Amino acid sequence: NAGVTQTPKFRVLKTGQSMTLLCAQDMNHEYMYWYRQDPGMGLRLIHYSVGEGTTAKGEVPDGYNVSRLKKQNFLLGLESAAPSQTSVYFCASRLSGVGLGELFFGEGSRLTVL
Amino acid sequence: RKEVEQDPGPFNVPEGATVAFNCTYSNSASQSFFWYRQDCRKEPKLLMSVYSSGNEDGRFTAQLNRASQYISLLIRDSKLSDSATYLCVVNSYNQGGKLIFGQGTELSVKP
Repeated sequence: NAGVTQTPKFRVLKTGQSMTLLCAQDMNHEYMYWYRQDPGMGLRLIHYSVGEGTTAKGEVPDGYNVSRLKKQNFLLGLESAAPSQTSVYFCASRLSGVGLGELFFGEGSRLTVL
Repeated sequence: RKEVEQDPGPFNVPEGATVAFNCTYSNSASQSFFWYRQDCRKEPKLLMSVYSSGNEDGRFTAQLNRASQYISLLIRDSKLSDSATYLCVVNSYNQGGKLIFGQGTELSVKP
């Protein structure tokens, strides 16, 4: 019953440090997403992937990199963290196809950059 | 202009009230629409899909107006447990797998 698992769930970074958030799903979903959520801003799409080895930019990709080397994993990297990247990060996955919209979310990763 | 926009609210309503939210989208090629519910910054969960003919699930009714490019969510007989943030999501055939959320509408149902 794992579904979508995000690690770590909490992290505090200093400005300039780097880190990677890992998202793992066990539902054999093709599509995976990284969103960030800030107060009053809803969920904003950072990057997404429509299959192993593919990635695409979302609404707010600057300052982030992603990789999808394995179908079940989608990594989000911050090369040089900035205070503006303090946020809650959600990973999600779904089946392929436009009409198949149900996104399955992880529980979120709360990142603070000092 | 954001691709998907919602009135952020908050909507404060008494128990038993009927409340409606709208969500407008800018991409006329948008084909799939959904409403999600989010409690206290937890992960969002699917509330219902929105079909062209409109659809109903208990106290919840979703409708699509393609001409004016908006979707709506109607909640009848509001319960305290309906207090949450409601997010609309839009997917377009010409954008592949990209799923864009509105900023969410906060609902608070009071006794």
